[in-house]
Amino acid sequence: DQQVKQNSPSLSVQEGRISILNCDYTNSMFDYFLWYKKYPAEGPTFLISISSIKDKNEDGRFTVFLNKSAKHLSLHIVPSQPGDSAVYFCAASSNYGGSQGNLIFGKGTKLSVKP
Amino acid sequence: KAGVTQTPRYLIKTRGQQVTLSCSPISGHRSVSWYQQTPGQGLQFLFEYFSETQRNKGNFPGRFSGRQFSNSRSEMNVSTLELGDSALYLCASSPGPPTDTQYFGPGTRLTVL
Repeated sequence: DQQVKQNSPSLSVQEGRISILNCDYTNSMFDYFLWYKKYPAEGPTFLISISSIKDKNEDGRFTVFLNKSAKHLSLHIVPSQPGDSAVYFCAASSNYGGSQGNLIFGKGTKLSVKP
Repeated sequence: KAGVTQTPRYLIKTRGQQVTLSCSPISGHRSVSWYQQTPGQGLQFLFEYFSETQRNKGNFPGRFSGRQFSNSRSEMNVSTLELGDSALYLCASSPGPPTDTQYFGPGTRLTVL
């Protein structure tokens, strides 16, 4: 049973436009959410995170939105650049500030940004 | 600061053998977690160590084990290798509470023949 779901395996966006990546979760105990970007043969690179006490967090071109009632979060990338092309993973954990060694990952969404 | 380093980067073993993978966390980070990535199952949590103690464990058989040393470096061991153990093994470190964002190493690609 997948606790973190990324229902779109792939997404194609034109350079300069907005990329919106979505993630749904089922466990209401999750209180910390992260997005990672991954290139082939490399480890995931941390992008941005959000705790459940917030509904939005912004870092440069990346913004994460959290809708706790819908158990949904999304990552917005504006404007999208060809270098953003990678697989994006959504991850979640419970016990923010405590034991967070156990991240639950979605299966990933492959983003392609076309010049 | 140097990032998380993992050695070796690539490894080929045969069924029944055992393997030890090594991870050096970012300087100052006290927590180390291990994950297995396969095409079918995605990224799955193996275990986490904090201050030399296993703090969390995922749903993997006892053939998978780990440890952490006083300098926070960690090793994971897989005994009696099976074909299905072929995967990318990722190590991640974090500073520890309250900041627990995990930073990943490049991984060790294990192939079991």
